[in-house]
Amino acid sequence: GAGVSQSPRYKVAKRGQDVALRCDPISGHVSLFWYQQALGQGPEFLTYFQNEAQLDKSGLPSDRFFAERPEGSVSTLKIQRTQQEDSAVYLCASSLNRNSNQPQHFGDGTRLSIL
Amino acid sequence: GESVGLHLPTLSVQEGDNSIINCAYSNSASDYFIWYKQESGKGPQFIIDIRSNMDKRQGQRVTVLLNKTVKHLSLQIAATQPGDSAVYFCAEILNQAGTALIFGKGTTLSVSS
Repeated sequence: GAGVSQSPRYKVAKRGQDVALRCDPISGHVSLFWYQQALGQGPEFLTYFQNEAQLDKSGLPSDRFFAERPEGSVSTLKIQRTQQEDSAVYLCASSLNRNSNQPQHFGDGTRLSIL
Repeated sequence: GESVGLHLPTLSVQEGDNSIINCAYSNSASDYFIWYKQESGKGPQFIIDIRSNMDKRQGQRVTVLLNKTVKHLSLQIAATQPGDSAVYFCAEILNQAGTALIFGKGTTLSVSS
């Protein structure tokens, strides 16, 4: 498809396990963003990539969260030693270039449940 | 049509009415704003955007108004349809060098036929 693709759509893990969430941005989009959305809330920024460079990771809640985009296309968000408070929807968005006046287009997210 | 002066978490309208959803943004330095529609189980869907050098922008059945004096943004939906039922979020970006979207509180729009 032409949109942002995220996988898996749903992930259930036991507390303490590591998880990896994948994002395929729109082809040709330079900028890629990860957001976390708690139930009933708006998305909150986690981290931003321009091509393969992670330029802003100020929103990552702890050092258990790690994101990469090694070839400037697909990105992976990894959460180590998951905790129950990590349960949320993780959204990926991409935009055409680094100009902030470009809309970010979102995928449908990965719903993460930590038991 | 229905209109609200302040942000309300829910808005219920009849099919065919005009809807107005309000949003107060946080930072006077913000210079780009976007309205998103989010349906259950889906990601936010881009509706319309506006830059801070404008005060009005129109799309198909939607209009966004920006009042920088009071840091207020509104989304007007004409002839609301049942398919418009969703949660609507406004989002801002702080400045030209900024990248992260800051989302406002969502408004759940319910359209009854």
